Amino acid sequence: NAGVTQTPKFQVLKTGQSMTLQCAQDMNHNSMYWYRQDPGMGLRLIYYSASEGTTDKGEVPNGYNVSRLNKREFSLRLESAAPSQTSVYFCASMDLVAQYFGPGTRLLVL
Amino acid sequence: SQQGEEDPQALSIQEGENATMNCSYKTSINNLQWYRQNSGRGLVHLILIRSNEREKHSGRLRVTLDTSKKSSSLLITASRAADTASYFCATDPAGSGYALNFGKGTSLLVTP
Repeated sequence: NAGVTQTPKFQVLKTGQSMTLQCAQDMNHNSMYWYRQDPGMGLRLIYYSASEGTTDKGEVPNGYNVSRLNKREFSLRLESAAPSQTSVYFCASMDLVAQYFGPGTRLLVL
Repeated sequence: SQQGEEDPQALSIQEGENATMNCSYKTSINNLQWYRQNSGRGLVHLILIRSNEREKHSGRLRVTLDTSKKSSSLLITASRAADTASYFCATDPAGSGYALNFGKGTSLLVTP
């Protein structure tokens, strides 16, 4: 089992460019999550999906959109990147108890 | 919102010593979990304690929960250099649905 995979690992964008961060899990979990992690801020929830076909906003959803493509895949889209979106992005899925995290995507917006 | 707050922010100890880190939270919870994050990696689940439990052990980890004080502690006994990482508490607030609230973490450095 690969667990939770994320692509790309690194990305540099210019302000105003768009991109999609991909996430997939092979553990048959219903719930999936997107977080951003900034120095001194810990993890902040951007969006989550409790099950296929549903998505909900987290603490910091502005500037992002998500798609729960199927049970395995949950993508995060930045329509018009801003320097404030420079961060490390983590995807996670959850069983009945714990969350399982991907390796992260480091995004730099210039 | 970030409900859990870890204390201290940073901790430096020598191998063989015990490491204790604390977490405080604000509202009622179903359970509290601790995660570890090695530098540049994703978080890894360590242990969960339910709101009706007071103490739980897993290997060298001991977690306590005091719901009256809304606080938890994580004790790592006989620390090793490999324990160097950031440690986060996460709460599952009662009625929150599926979201966990993570704290800002304690950075632990264990030197040989």
